[in-house]
Amino acid sequence: EVQLVESGGGLIQPGGSLRLSCAASVFTVSSNYMSWVRQAPGKGLEWVSLIYPGGSTYYADSVKGRFTISRDNSKNTLYLQMNSLRAEDTAVYYCARVLPRPSDHFDYWGQGTLVTVSS
Amino acid sequence: QSVLTQPPSVSGAPGQRVTISCTGSSSNIGAGYDVHWYQQLPGTAPKLLIYGNDNRPSGVPDRFSGSKSGTSASLAITGLQAADEADYYCQSYDSSLSGSWVFGGGTKLTVL
Repeated sequence: EVQLVESGGGLIQPGGSLRLSCAASVFTVSSNYMSWVRQAPGKGLEWVSLIYPGGSTYYADSVKGRFTISRDNSKNTLYLQMNSLRAEDTAVYYCARVLPRPSDHFDYWGQGTLVTVSS
Repeated sequence: QSVLTQPPSVSGAPGQRVTISCTGSSSNIGAGYDVHWYQQLPGTAPKLLIYGNDNRPSGVPDRFSGSKSGTSASLAITGLQAADEADYYCQSYDSSLSGSWVFGGGTKLTVL
């Protein structure tokens, strides 16, 4: 059974940094399109970042220049490095696998990890 | 303000049929990009419900169906059950500016 397990969330002060991890099982992270999606408390889903198998990366305007998506092939793990965190980054962060056909959709999701940015 | 517009809430009695709309524009749904739907039960992660406008992943009951026309899409649920009470989100791709994957604001389905 496909599993995505996020970790690394927690309470962090504004301006701080945090790295989220997403460990995958059954499939290979590096061979798939992978993404991060977040959900602020009581709000809807917001796409954050996506990485292609070839390594191309994409970011929402709200996080561009502050967040970096990456992966470790040896650990079959996806990461999200978050710098210069703001209160508005407070959310549950989900990692998800993306299937590109018929067009990009998120077929498997992790359980999420909560990031709280507050002093 | 979400790029894709959904009604904040819909409701229906058990056994009834409800529909949830998702309205986009010429840079997303109207540009030909597919629409996908997700169900989020309380306190859980989203789950893929419909992909490619009208396709159901394995295990999703045929009570759930999707359609797309022009700049809009719809999710229909027939034979409403208490277990269907959840938040529903549409998703597509938007080619404006730098391009991005976009979600609707979500619709809360209440089973009366």
